[in-house]
Amino acid sequence: AQKITQTQPGMFVQEKEAVTLDCTYDTSDPSYGLFWYKQPSSGEMIFLIYQGSYDQQNATEGRYSLNFQKARKSANLVISASQLGDSAMYFCAMSPRGGYNKLIFGAGTRLAVHP
Amino acid sequence: DSGVTQTPKHLITATGQRVTLRCSPRSGDLSVYWYQQSLDQGLQFLIQYYNGEERAKGNILERFSAQQFPDLHSELNLSSLELGDSALYFCASSVGDLQPQHFGDGTRLSIL
Repeated sequence: AQKITQTQPGMFVQEKEAVTLDCTYDTSDPSYGLFWYKQPSSGEMIFLIYQGSYDQQNATEGRYSLNFQKARKSANLVISASQLGDSAMYFCAMSPRGGYNKLIFGAGTRLAVHP
Repeated sequence: DSGVTQTPKHLITATGQRVTLRCSPRSGDLSVYWYQQSLDQGLQFLIQYYNGEERAKGNILERFSAQQFPDLHSELNLSSLELGDSALYFCASSVGDLQPQHFGDGTRLSIL
């Protein structure tokens, strides 16, 4: 079965420190995409970062990087130099090739950044 | 701003009624997706359209239907509404397969 697991319901981090949000996935599809989205309390879904299953390098976008370990089927999000505005829900999602790009979401991790 | 526009932002209605949610995708995106976010089910894929044609279906109830028009905007129709249909409904669009989907701000539907 295709599934995304986020085992951390809530995390907190001190401002300016780095934090890692965990994500593991399960798929038998050889080709897939992995995504992270941020949902602030205002409700919108903001795309953060994307990793393709055949990408050799870990994806990075500014302060966000994706630690992709294919053999372990993990795609952890690393946020460096946390800011107060990073406080939000974070969702890991997968799009298997056979699924015509539909996103399968995890349950999310609520991150609180403390000053 | 993701470039995806959803209207209305909020909708309050009663059980048994019918509503239409509207979505305009980002310029150039041919694919439109609908998702439902509820407290008990999380984020669930409902349906995808690509250039006017239905392409994939997820956990969409028979009371729900959607379409994509020639100008690529899409509408999600929800009928015979029940209390359990209260949720945040998102539309997203993308350029193509395995490309990032960009979400609208959502329509919050409340059934009284």
